[in-house]
Amino acid sequence: EDQVTQSPEALRLQEGESSSLNCSYTVSGLRGLFWYRQDPGKGPEFLFTLYSAGEEKEKERLKATLTKKESFLHITAPKPEDSATYLCAGHTDKLIFGTGTRLQVFP
Amino acid sequence: GAVVSQHPSWVICKSGTSVKIECRSLDFQATTMFWYRQFPKQSLMLMATSNEGSKATYEQGVEKDKFLINHASLTLSTLTVTSAHPEDSSFYICSARDRGLAGGYEQYFGPGTRLTVT
Repeated sequence: EDQVTQSPEALRLQEGESSSLNCSYTVSGLRGLFWYRQDPGKGPEFLFTLYSAGEEKEKERLKATLTKKESFLHITAPKPEDSATYLCAGHTDKLIFGTGTRLQVFP
Repeated sequence: GAVVSQHPSWVICKSGTSVKIECRSLDFQATTMFWYRQFPKQSLMLMATSNEGSKATYEQGVEKDKFLINHASLTLSTLTVTSAHPEDSSFYICSARDRGLAGGYEQYFGPGTRLTVT
């Protein structure tokens, strides 16, 4: 059965304290690995799509990487406005979501 | 990035009535749109996939006669919750797929609609 698992469930960081979020997947016929940011009461905001192992993409303080079994979302020197839930999803003919990592960044 | 809008952003209705939610892709054409449901502190649950001009494909356990989906054009999909009951209260989010750079896909989400059935 296709599955996407994210860890940790929740992460508290001090402002400026870099860290990584993990997304492990077992998805047959994976066409891409998506990362989203979701704020409370809002729809997910698209961040990245990764298509092949070894691929990396960056956007401001975020960098996403992909291996054959997992993806990482690295957050460098986070700020309080980076606080959100980060979702990853494996793409076959539809998106298979993980349960997300709730990130809180304190000043 | 591409923009997907939803209307209304929130709605309160009485039990037994029907509610229609609209989803539009504003700056791209979406041959495929998706409808999700999200419960508090849980991840998104796919309800159905719709392709323009054809019938929607519903996920297992989703009542197609209760959740009517119409994808009449490349920029508009609607979800109608028929004979709504309190257990239908939830956060409904639509999504639209766009062909991204280098032949890949990008999937964008609307801001969501909060439905409360009293």
